[in-house]
Amino acid sequence: EAGVAQSPRYKIIEKRQSVAFWCNPISGHATLYWYQQILGQGPKLLIQFQNNGVVDDSQLPKDRFSAERLKGVDSTLKIQPAKLEDSAVYLCASSLVASGNYEQYFGPGTRLTVT
Amino acid sequence: GDSVTQMEGPVTLSEEAFLTINCTYTATGYPSLFWYVQYPGEGLQLLLKATKADDKGSNKGFEATYRKETTSFHLEKGSVQVSDSAVYFCALSDQGSSNTGKLIFGQGTTLQVKP
Repeated sequence: EAGVAQSPRYKIIEKRQSVAFWCNPISGHATLYWYQQILGQGPKLLIQFQNNGVVDDSQLPKDRFSAERLKGVDSTLKIQPAKLEDSAVYLCASSLVASGNYEQYFGPGTRLTVT
Repeated sequence: GDSVTQMEGPVTLSEEAFLTINCTYTATGYPSLFWYVQYPGEGLQLLLKATKADDKGSNKGFEATYRKETTSFHLEKGSVQVSDSAVYFCALSDQGSSNTGKLIFGQGTTLQVKP
């Protein structure tokens, strides 16, 4: 079974530029999560989708971050414009069901450096 | 809000030493508790979990017991190997009315095992 795919793996941009990350979850997984992991910290949830609807985006900085999950499969996370403090690893995870009783499977992450 | 606190690292041990990584949590509901591991260059992987008080999760020689009275979920292994070198994250997921599967992570503990 293929795991969660993410691209690109690495991205370096200058502040005020825009960037987009892509995630392809495990086939059949209805729930998709985007986490931000700043160096030395644990991952923090940015947004959660159930199929193509948003379940939780309370921690998403909506003035600069946006995300979509068209057709309930792939998802894209965008930052525009980027700030220095956005430097982090962006993790995508998926699970069969939106419940703590179901395992979340994580992708390898996209490491973003904003200069 | 809910939170997870882990002992600070890095933890450096010799091969075959006993490992304990402390984890305590704060939650208003009855969370599920998890340990995730991140090996160098790889994504987060679920190591073990426990879903109710007094449950013991175990995998690959690692164990952790859900202690409701002390709100703890300490990770232990009797004899570590060099291959256990990684970053370990304790996490919780609320099982109450807001059960969305969202994970709240601790800051991570780096384990380095020397031959």
